[in-house]
Amino acid sequence: EAGVAQSPRYKIIEKRQSVAFWCNPISGHATLYWYQQILGQGPKLLIQFQNNGVVDDSQLPKDRFSAERLKGVDSTLKIQPAKLEDSAVYLCASSELASLRTQYFGPGTRLLVL
Amino acid sequence: EDQVTQSPEALRLQEGESSSLNCSYTVSGLRGLFWYRQDPGKGPEFLFTLYSAGEEKEKERLKATLTKKESFLHITAPKPEDSATYLCAVLWGSYIPTFGRGTSLIVHP
Repeated sequence: EAGVAQSPRYKIIEKRQSVAFWCNPISGHATLYWYQQILGQGPKLLIQFQNNGVVDDSQLPKDRFSAERLKGVDSTLKIQPAKLEDSAVYLCASSELASLRTQYFGPGTRLLVL
Repeated sequence: EDQVTQSPEALRLQEGESSSLNCSYTVSGLRGLFWYRQDPGKGPEFLFTLYSAGEEKEKERLKATLTKKESFLHITAPKPEDSATYLCAVLWGSYIPTFGRGTSLIVHP
């Protein structure tokens, strides 16, 4: 079974530029999560989708971050404009259902904002 | 105030020296508690899910236990390949996951 795929793996941008990350979850997984993990900290949930609907986006900085999950499969997370403090690893995870199901994580995208 | 607190932040052990990692939580309406292992440069890898107080799960040298307000990850006779960051996450309320900051474990040969 293929795991969660993410691209790109690494990205370096200047502050105020925009960037987009892509995630392809495990086939058949209805729930998709985007996390931000700053060095030395645990993952922080940014947004959770159930199929193509948003379950929770309370910690998503909506003035600069946006995410979509078209057709309930792939998802894209965008940052525009980026700030220095956005430097982090962006992790995508998926699970069969939100309730009590194990999350499977992708390798992450490492973003450095200069 | 953190809802999920892991301790210690870092732990160094000699190979074969058993120890425990702690995860305490203050959320109400716990739906499940998860332990993950994260190696440098990789995403977290699932280890265990615990649902109710008194539950225990084991896998090789690892054993996870759960009480009403905390969970322990016991590592018996660790090996260098057990070196990693161990993350605890709780699922609560509307099934929103919240992670702790992790415990960085180094096992010296």
